[in-house]
Amino acid sequence: EPEVTQTPSHQVTQMGQEVILRCVPISNHLYFYWYRQILGQKVEFLVSFYNNEISEKSEIFDDQFSVERPDGSNFTLKIRSTKLEDSAMYFCASSPRRNNQPQHFGDGTRLSIL
Amino acid sequence: GESVGLHLPTLSVQEGDNSIINCAYSNSASDYFIWYKQESGKGPQFIIDIRSNMDKRQGQRVTVLLNKTVKHLSLQIAATQPGDSAVYFCAENVYNQGGKLIFGQGTELSVKP
Repeated sequence: EPEVTQTPSHQVTQMGQEVILRCVPISNHLYFYWYRQILGQKVEFLVSFYNNEISEKSEIFDDQFSVERPDGSNFTLKIRSTKLEDSAMYFCASSPRRNNQPQHFGDGTRLSIL
Repeated sequence: GESVGLHLPTLSVQEGDNSIINCAYSNSASDYFIWYKQESGKGPQFIIDIRSNMDKRQGQRVTVLLNKTVKHLSLQIAATQPGDSAVYFCAENVYNQGGKLIFGQGTELSVKP
């Protein structure tokens, strides 16, 4: 069964450094998403992306965050200047359509900011 | 405001029993709902979904019930097995918000052999 893959599984970064989290969505999916989950808390929406544009973003997704689909298979989340509170699990998801279709998630990248 | 919450943060059941996990949602514009299972160190795994024009949907050993009148969602797991032990999240999709899913807090299901 096709799946969403994310790399790396664990990223340790110094505060203030830039970090790029990578995702390969399911190949025939058109909608892509990033979520984060702070330890012990619920999953929170960050951003949705379709046709090379952001469709929706949350308040968390401020100017320090950006997303990109640099080629036909990868989908990236960049945090320009990381803060301690960015430490979390970051999940990528994809779906064939925007509405009424389940989003399929990767196993996440654990981001630890020191 | 937007919120999806769960009535029970933890649920412990005996193997073979049926489990019921509940969820309340507050956004009446939500038109699609999903239950996810999350095992330790893994991402949310799709279990079952339901559209707002339905009130019940069945899968293999799982059933989702939707009560739009009281904005309540439940997941029923028949003959619960140790492999069902995980955290279960409900999520709602609000129409025309870019596919954004709003997740609940999660219920941890523990199955005793």
